[in-house]
Amino acid sequence: GNSVTQMEGPVTLSEEAFLTINCTYTATGYPSLFWYVQYPGEGLQLLLKATKADDKGSNKGFEATYRKETTSFHLEKGSVQVSDSAVYFCALSDLPGGSYIPTFGRGTSLIVHP
Amino acid sequence: DADVTQTPRNRITKTGKRIMLECSQTKGHDRMYWYRQDPGLGLRLIYYSFDVKDINKGEISDGYSVSRQAQAKFSLSLESAIPNQTALYFCATSDSGTGTYNEQFFGPGTRLTVL
Repeated sequence: GNSVTQMEGPVTLSEEAFLTINCTYTATGYPSLFWYVQYPGEGLQLLLKATKADDKGSNKGFEATYRKETTSFHLEKGSVQVSDSAVYFCALSDLPGGSYIPTFGRGTSLIVHP
Repeated sequence: DADVTQTPRNRITKTGKRIMLECSQTKGHDRMYWYRQDPGLGLRLIYYSFDVKDINKGEISDGYSVSRQAQAKFSLSLESAIPNQTALYFCATSDSGTGTYNEQFFGPGTRLTVL
C-alpha cells in the first residue's frame, strides 16, 4: 500500500534560518504529492503540490520538488518567519485510475523563534 | 463564509453516550471524508464517500458510523463513545474532476473529549 514518511519534529529554528523538512513516499502508482500546513487552532490547508516527476511546487516562499528516483518531496524555505510556525503534513494521492484515497504523513511541527 | 463547516467545534461527553458530528460544504464537491488527528499519529481516515450512494470504510472505522444525507452533508456518529475516541476530528472534501488531483479542503475541526 501507499505510505508517507516525514521527519519527526519539532523542528526549532531562529527567524531567517533555512528550513528543510524531509518527506519520502512509497506508492503503487504514479501519485501526486502535496504539502499541507496546519496553523494553530485551524484545519489543514494546501501549501503546494506537484503532479509529476521533476515538477516543483511553490507557494509563500516554500518549495518542494517531486523526485521520482529517490521517492522524495522535501519541503524547503530559504528564510523562515515566526508566522511560519505550524504543523506541516506531506501527503500523496493516486493519479486517475488509482483509488484516490489520500495518504498523509504524521506531520512535522515547526517552531520559529524571533 | 467558510466553504467547509463543522458543528460542534468543541464537545465534551461521557463514556457510552451517542455523539454526532456534522459537516456541510458549499464547494459543490462530490467527495467527502472524515479524519481523526491524534498527537504524533497524524491524520487517519475514518470513512469516505465518493457520492451520496457511496460510503467506504477507512483505516480506523471501528466504533464509528457515517451518513451522507446529501451531496453537501456528511455526518459522523459515535454510537457509544469511549475515552480513546478523544481526538480532533476533521471533515474534508475533494473534487473528482480531471486536473484536481484530489486536493483536500478541510473544515476547522471538532475537538471531542470523552470522559
